[in-house]
Amino acid sequence: SQQGEEDPQALSIQEGENATMNCSYKTSINNLQWYRQNSGRGLVHLILIRSNEREKHSGRLRVTLDTSKKSSSLLITASRAADTASYFCATVDSGGGADGLTFGKGTHLIIQP
Amino acid sequence: EAGVTQFPSHSVIEKGQTVTLRCDPISGHDNLYWYRRVMGKEIKFLLHFVKESKQDESGMPNNRFLAERTGGTYSTLKVQPAELEDSGVYFCASSHLAGVYNEQFFGPGTRLTVL
Repeated sequence: SQQGEEDPQALSIQEGENATMNCSYKTSINNLQWYRQNSGRGLVHLILIRSNEREKHSGRLRVTLDTSKKSSSLLITASRAADTASYFCATVDSGGGADGLTFGKGTHLIIQP
Repeated sequence: EAGVTQFPSHSVIEKGQTVTLRCDPISGHDNLYWYRRVMGKEIKFLLHFVKESKQDESGMPNNRFLAERTGGTYSTLKVQPAELEDSGVYFCASSHLAGVYNEQFFGPGTRLTVL
């Protein structure tokens, strides 16, 4: 599997429901970030969780990180139609001093009104 | 504050031609990154500038790709000659500070189609 691989690849839910997306990675990381991309737009940074953190909240977003399992989850509560987008996790590897992000293929989330 | 801008938004060229993509980072951001997403694949890191210097170009696919950032402001990414497999969306990002905890702000991307 690829570094920063999300599942599911596509998710369709009703407005108001919660959406959960998962991400797995392979190497040791400094941090893991989640991005959103609306159709035809650039990537928007949602939240960053450091390797020594286990959970982080930002508004309706909740991110967890389990470094022992090399996995993360993004929970969007009380979903809205405007949340329809592709969601990507991205990691920064530890060591080497490189800042380049390693992305997964993304989860396409559709919120049905 | 203006965001990261990229030009053009779309480019369609024939195999063997040359294309130059431009990225204007957020004013004052010393760090500039190029990424690309080839159809059906994940977004891949290409390179990282700190001001006008290439900090990390480990992701550049081959010597047909040349990135420059003269003066440490905007950056260009030239593909010469373009091949079919170069088709995809090229993203630029910038950040104020380097380091692994700094948010990268992305532009809308340039969609390149090589026929």
